[in-house]
Amino acid sequence: NAGVTQTPKFRVLKTGQSMTLLCAQDMNHEYMYWYRQDPGMGLRLIHYSVGEGTTAKGEVPDGYNVSRLKKQNFLLGLESAAPSQTSVYFCASSTSGGYNEQFFGPGTRLTVL
Amino acid sequence: DQQVKQNSPSLSVQEGRISILNCDYTNSMFDYFLWYKKYPAEGPTFLISISSIKDKNEDGRFTVFLNKSAKHLSLHIVPSQPGDSAVYFCAASPSTGNQFYFGTGTSLTVIP
Repeated sequence: NAGVTQTPKFRVLKTGQSMTLLCAQDMNHEYMYWYRQDPGMGLRLIHYSVGEGTTAKGEVPDGYNVSRLKKQNFLLGLESAAPSQTSVYFCASSTSGGYNEQFFGPGTRLTVL
Repeated sequence: DQQVKQNSPSLSVQEGRISILNCDYTNSMFDYFLWYKKYPAEGPTFLISISSIKDKNEDGRFTVFLNKSAKHLSLHIVPSQPGDSAVYFCAASPSTGNQFYFGTGTSLTVIP
């Protein structure tokens, strides 16, 4: 099992460019999450999904969109990147919400110039 | 506003001694708590959890204590080993919700 994988691992964008981060999991988990980690801020939830075809906003959703067309994939999109979106992005998945731990991917380091 | 706080950004401990990492929360609806460990350039990995019906949970060298009245939890590592050097995040969730709220992390260094 690969667990949770993220593509790409690193990316540099210019302000205004767009990109999509891909998260894939092979554990048949229903729930998937996108977080960002910034110095001194911990991990903050951007968006999450409780099943194929569903998405919901987390703590910091502005400037991001997501899609969950297939159960195993969760895409995070930046339509017009801003320097404030420079961060490390983590995807996670879990069997359900509530009393279940999340399994994290290795992260994507994004720099917006 | 940060609902889960880890007020110590860093901690250094001698190998073999006890490491105590602390976490405070403000939301009384939180009833499930987890600790994650994170090495550089890797994603966080689950370490140990506790629900609000308990005040202690042990797993080998790791013990988590929960004080609901104080809205405080702590992670004890005994004995500490150099391989425990990592950033530790606590996280909390209400049982009715789908979100976890993370603290800012504590960087633990275990000195050989």
